[in-house]
Amino acid sequence: QKEVEQDPGPLSVPEGAIVSLNCTYSNSAFQYFMWYRQYSRKGPELLMYTYSSGNKEDGRFTAQVDKSSKYISLFIRDSQPSDSATYLCAMSGGAYSGGSNYKLTFGKGTLLTVNP
Amino acid sequence: NAGVTQTPKFQVLKTGQSMTLQCAQDMNHNSMYWYRQDPGMGLRLIYYSASEGTTDKGEVPNGYNVSRLNKREFSLRLESAAPSQTSVYFCASHRDRDSPLHFGNGTRLTVT
Repeated sequence: QKEVEQDPGPLSVPEGAIVSLNCTYSNSAFQYFMWYRQYSRKGPELLMYTYSSGNKEDGRFTAQVDKSSKYISLFIRDSQPSDSATYLCAMSGGAYSGGSNYKLTFGKGTLLTVNP
Repeated sequence: NAGVTQTPKFQVLKTGQSMTLQCAQDMNHNSMYWYRQDPGMGLRLIYYSASEGTTDKGEVPNGYNVSRLNKREFSLRLESAAPSQTSVYFCASHRDRDSPLHFGNGTRLTVT
């Protein structure tokens, strides 16, 4: 089983739709969970950053972490054409990883297109 | 505040040529990373530097070398480029292990 699984899509939705993006993981040591957005020919940019379980909301974006199910989600409300991008989940054990190595594990990304 | 700056943006090399990819950050971050991104493979860690003066191998270090020149700069060198090194290379940095990574906009390298 891969450490992080993310459906690559592509996902195509009409403008205004609610989008749900998901990742599952197998490593119970993961404590920090991130979502990055990557526009074509650009670097990933941090969208949401959460620690442990629970929800975090920022404008139209909500990140959910369910550590018991090893499942994280990103919801986008009232989706806009400008949300069209690849969304990458990422996670790490942070300071709980142990040792001096930092290991951030990425999903392979989901390509989202929001159609006007 | 430029964040993470990578140069060059694009490069074409012939097999066997060498080159250095440059990365600089102005956020006073301690740790810096080099990733490559390939279709269907996602982001893979090549090398990282947890702090100035230290470097360590990531998942895919073969064919690469790095130098942490100072706290701001972290370069990636290809000594003898191969077509398998055709990829998009991203540099990233962060303050510590509990903080998220900040990425540059990448160097698109083609090796023919």
